[in-house]
Amino acid sequence: KQEVTQIPAALSVPEGENLVLNCSFTDSAIYNLQWFRQDPGKGLTSLLLIQSSQREQTSGRLNASLDKSSGRSTLYIAASQPGDSATYLCALATQGGSEKLVFGKGMKLTVNP
Amino acid sequence: NAGVMQNPRHLVRRRGQEARLRCSPMKGHSHVYWYRQLPEEGLKFMVYLQKENIIDESGMPKERFSAEFPKEGPSILRIQQVVRGDSAAYFCASSPGSETQYFGPGTRLLVL
Repeated sequence: KQEVTQIPAALSVPEGENLVLNCSFTDSAIYNLQWFRQDPGKGLTSLLLIQSSQREQTSGRLNASLDKSSGRSTLYIAASQPGDSATYLCALATQGGSEKLVFGKGMKLTVNP
Repeated sequence: NAGVMQNPRHLVRRRGQEARLRCSPMKGHSHVYWYRQLPEEGLKFMVYLQKENIIDESGMPKERFSAEFPKEGPSILRIQQVVRGDSAAYFCASSPGSETQYFGPGTRLLVL
């Protein structure tokens, strides 16, 4: 059974710091991995999607990497801003199935001005 | 191009009543997924549907819960005889087939 873990559960940093968010998973047979952002009371916004054959994806200040052999993904946020404050969720789709996503519990990020 | 729409956004029910949650996928998307987010928990997959077909319902509770995605109209997640433990945020996502799932804003169900 695939399990996704995000540690720590919460992080508070001053504005301007470069951040690394961690995600680990137990089964390397994945189809793809996504990072989402969730704002309080809102839905999920997809930030980056990495296919199982890829090593990383970049969008603006965000960079996500994937290492299937070690069962890890990281989301790198450069020059953090207060607007980055949200809960960040890691989710992956397993192979050969219905493409349902298995989510971690998320990491609540607070960027202080 | 409107995103995934869910209604109602908030729903209050008393124990024993029925809850109906609606999801309209993005235009052109024929795949719908339902997820549940319990307080302080991550999102858990419930069911995956294509038009008129349930593809994977491995995450659905065996009793009281059902889902449908008819040929016309929105996808419906129905919860019969709700209990307090059903209080959660229910999210719908749609996709055109594979790749990214696009999520709606969710329906927050509160059972009194």
